[in-house]
Amino acid sequence: KQEVTQIPAALSVPEGENLVLNCSFTDSAIYNLQWFRQDPGKGLTSLLLIQSSQREQTSGRLNASLDKSSGRSTLYIAASQPGDSATYLCAVGEAAGNKLTFGGGTRVLVKP
Amino acid sequence: GAVVSQHPSWVICKSGTSVKIECRSLDFQATTMFWYRQFPKQSLMLMATSNEGSKATYEQGVEKDKFLINHASLTLSTLTVTSAHPEDSSFYICSATGRTPYEQYFGPGTRLTVT
Repeated sequence: KQEVTQIPAALSVPEGENLVLNCSFTDSAIYNLQWFRQDPGKGLTSLLLIQSSQREQTSGRLNASLDKSSGRSTLYIAASQPGDSATYLCAVGEAAGNKLTFGGGTRVLVKP
Repeated sequence: GAVVSQHPSWVICKSGTSVKIECRSLDFQATTMFWYRQFPKQSLMLMATSNEGSKATYEQGVEKDKFLINHASLTLSTLTVTSAHPEDSSFYICSATGRTPYEQYFGPGTRLTVT
């Protein structure tokens, strides 16, 4: 059974600092990995999707890497802003059935 | 594009009653829809997977008689929480695939409070 872990569970940084969020998974036979953002009481916003054949994806200040063999992904957010404060979730997609297994999330607070 | 809506966004019901939550794909046909539950400060847990026209597949530990899922069309799935209890209070989120393979598009969620 796939297990996804996110470390740290919470992170507080001053504005302008770079953010590094970690995600690890136990079964490397994945189809893809997604990073999501969730604001309090809201649904999920997809940030980046990395297919299993890819090593990284970039969108603006966001960069996500994937190392399937070691079961790890890292989300980098450059030059953090207070608006980046949210919970960030990573989710691993299985090849069969499109099922996503979510990590516990990292709660990020960017202080002005 | 790839918008998924949920209705209602929040609902309060009394213990013992049933409540239905709708999930719609607005601009694409959803071959598969997923229902997740999220307790406060916890992550999303998959409850069930449904394909249009067939019975839902429930995850281990999820009572299929309590959480009735119907996926009658390619744009609509419903989750009915039957005989709701306070411990069913949670945030329920649906997602759908269909536009691109293996990418799920999430609805905004429904907050259920059972009193």
